[in-house]
Formats: sequence, C-alpha cells, structure tokens
Amino acid sequence: QTVVTQEPSLTVSPGGTVTLTCASSTGAVISGYYPNWFLQKPGQAPRALIYGTSNKHSWTPARFSGSLLGGKAALTLSGVQPEDEADYYCLLDFDGIPVFGTGTRVTVV
Amino acid sequence: EVQLVESGGGLVQPGGSLRLSCAASGFTFSRHWMHWVRQAPGKGLVWVSRINSDGSYTTYADSVKGRFTISRDNAKNTVYLQMNSLRDEDMAVYYCARGGTATGTVDYWGQGTLVTVSS
Repeated sequence: QTVVTQEPSLTVSPGGTVTLTCASSTGAVISGYYPNWFLQKPGQAPRALIYGTSNKHSWTPARFSGSLLGGKAALTLSGVQPEDEADYYCLLDFDGIPVFGTGTRVTVV
Repeated sequence: EVQLVESGGGLVQPGGSLRLSCAASGFTFSRHWMHWVRQAPGKGLVWVSRINSDGSYTTYADSVKGRFTISRDNAKNTVYLQMNSLRDEDMAVYYCARGGTATGTVDYWGQGTLVTVSS
C-alpha cells in the first residue's frame, strides 16, 4: 500500500516563507502523479490550491506556489499571512488510484 | 457558482447500510469525474472512490472495495455512495468532490455529511 508522507507540523512567522513537502513510499514524485495541494481550516471543507504540480486555481492567492523539489512535491508559501494557518494536504494519483498525504499543520506565530 | 451538497449521513449500527447523495449544480455535471473522500474525527483526508463522467468506470480504495459502490445519475446531477457492511472505522465526514478538467485534478468540494457507526 502506497504511503504519502508530509511533515506533521511547521511553524512560520508572518511575512515569512515556508515549504511543505510530499513524499511517496514508491520513490520520487513525478509530474505524472499530478500533485494537488489542499488547505483545510478547522470545521471547514478542504479547498483546492494547486493542481498538476504547479498550476493555480483561479482563486489561489499568488503567495502559494507548487513545484517538484528533491524527488518530492512541494508547496511554498511566501509572505505568509495569519489566515494561512491551517492543515495542508497533498494528493498524488498513482495510476488511477489517488492517495492523500498525511497532512501538515502550519502554525503562524 | 459550483455547488456540491451532500446528504444521507446519520447514525447506523455496525454491519448496517447507508446511501449518501451529492447534488451538484452550477456546472455541466455530465462532463466531470466525481470523487468521495472521507475524514475520520481528528484525522486526515482519505480518498474513497471515484467515477468517470458517464458512470462506466469506477475505482475504490482497498479499505472499501467490495462494500461500497459509487454511482451517478447525470439526469439528476447527483452522485451516490452506497455503503454496506459498515464498520466502526468507516465513521467519518464524507465529502464529495469534483474532478477538474485537467487530468488528476480535484477542485470543488462539498461541505460533507457525517456518518456515525455505533451500536
């Protein structure tokens, strides 16, 4: 069974930059896994941020960017705002079977 | 405006059945794949199942294969999740989500419906 691993928690200061990663137990993450990133705040449904590794939805703030970094999918938040405090999940598609990452809690202090 | 509204959640005993519905509006439903995703209390997101645009192709997570069935009615703009032989570990908020136009994309999400499995 494929496992997708993210950092359990990260802390960042307002205005700072933080990078979240998404690793696969099968090896390097590739663009063919179509990495997606989502944000979820307490008591709310998830909201999509990034698809296809680095593409933004029309509603995605410019400070969010996606990439492949060192064999992992990555989500970088630049100029972090207090409202970015949330849980973040990646999603990888393994030959038609999507698997969510374990999630990263981002705290802004 | 894209809207996805889940319904059908509730309390069910272990071994019981439940059918979830997700009513879609604001887009051409018949052109999009649809997904079900669940989240147990205090836990992360888990993908459950998806169905292609005309309902001819479905896939499932191993944890629900043989117990859950996804289906859709494009005339009613609704996707369903029939859940049988429910277990304690199936207790979760169930979200439906839309597959985007780009391959592998999930874009819009509903607000979820809670399924409680308890005797």
